[in-house]
Order: sequence, then C-alpha cells, then structure tokens
Amino acid sequence: AQSVSQHNHHVILSEAASLELGCNYSYGGTVNLFWYVQYPGQHLQLLLKYFSGDPLVKGIKGFEAEFIKSKFSFNLRKPSVQWSDTAEYFCAVNPGGYNKLIFGAGTRLAVHP
Amino acid sequence: GAVVSQHPSWVICKSGTSVKIECRSLDFQATTMFWYRQFPKQSLMLMATSNEGSKATYEQGVEKDKFLINHASLTLSTLTVTSAHPEDSSFYICSARAGTNGMNTEAFFGQGTRLTVV
Repeated sequence: AQSVSQHNHHVILSEAASLELGCNYSYGGTVNLFWYVQYPGQHLQLLLKYFSGDPLVKGIKGFEAEFIKSKFSFNLRKPSVQWSDTAEYFCAVNPGGYNKLIFGAGTRLAVHP
Repeated sequence: GAVVSQHPSWVICKSGTSVKIECRSLDFQATTMFWYRQFPKQSLMLMATSNEGSKATYEQGVEKDKFLINHASLTLSTLTVTSAHPEDSSFYICSARAGTNGMNTEAFFGQGTRLTVV
C-alpha cells in the first residue's frame, strides 16, 4: 500500500537553528510531492511542491525541499528557523496522477526564542 | 490563495443522531472535493473524493452509508455522519481543488470540524 513516513513527530529548536524534516514515501511510479504547514488554529497551507524538473524546490518563507528519487525522499529544510515557524508540517504524496493526496503523520515543530 | 470554508468548526451531538458538515469554496469552482479524517497525532486519512455531480469515491474501509457525501454544486460539498457513535468523534477536514486529473492544481483546505459524539 502507498504510504508516507515522517520520521520526527516532535522537533524542538532554538531560533536560528537549521531545520531538516524527513519524509519518505512508498510508491514506485511517478509522484508529485508536497509539504504543507498548519499554524496553530489555521488551515493547512501549501509550503512547496514538486512535480518535475529541478529536484531542489524552493517554497515560501525560506523553506526548500529536495527530491531524491533513489531514496524515495522529499526532505524539508530551512537554514535558520524563526519562532514564527512553530507549526505542524505535513508531507504529502500524489501517486501517479491519481486524484488524491496521501499524507504523512505530521511533525510538530516548536521553535524557542 | 483561495479560501475553503468549513462549517461548523466544532459540534457536539448525541449518539444516534446525524451531523452535517459543510465545505464551501468561496472564490473558485471546486470540481473536486476531498474529505479527510484526522485522529490525534496521526495523519490525515482520506475518506472519499467527490467530483461535482458524481457519486463520491470512498476509500477502502470507509462506510459510504455512514458517511454520506454530497457534492451538488461547484462550491459546496457536505459530509453527513449518520447515526453517529462515540467512535466517530474525530477531526474532519475538507479540501477542494479545481480540476479532476492528477494534482496539478493546488488543493486548498478548510479549517476542519471537531466532532464529539456523546
């Protein structure tokens, strides 16, 4: 079955620290990949997405993610986090042109000033 | 980005009653709407996908007679939890997008509905 794994359920960082959140998926075919963020009390919002082309994707708010096909991974990174990045982050995969998203369990990030 | 409004934000109902949750796309035509369920500390689980004017496609294990989905217009989809029981208590989230093929257009999410069945 198709699945998405996010390795870290909770991450705590100090401001200015670097961030990397892991995401792996199990699907052998073509995929579209997404990272969503949910700030406290708000809707899920799209951070970035990968469909094709350059595997290093830049998103909003200084986030980027790298698609490594051989590792079935799409890790999210940010060089220097801010307190305002405190949120829950979800990796999602759209397998092979199907009209649906499969989500990971989410990673709750807390950034301390 | 586009706005998807979900109503109500939270609802408490008695066991055995039915509850309807609305999902509206406010500034675009949502040809496809998705309904998810989220348990605490778990991922969003896709329950069903509905295309406007068609019957919803339910994921394996989701009871279509219990979770009735109607997508009668391009801006409104409803999820009705029929004969609700405490185990149906959960966070329900809708998502909407324009387009029906693949995911080449962005999906926008509602703020979710917290259902508590007592």
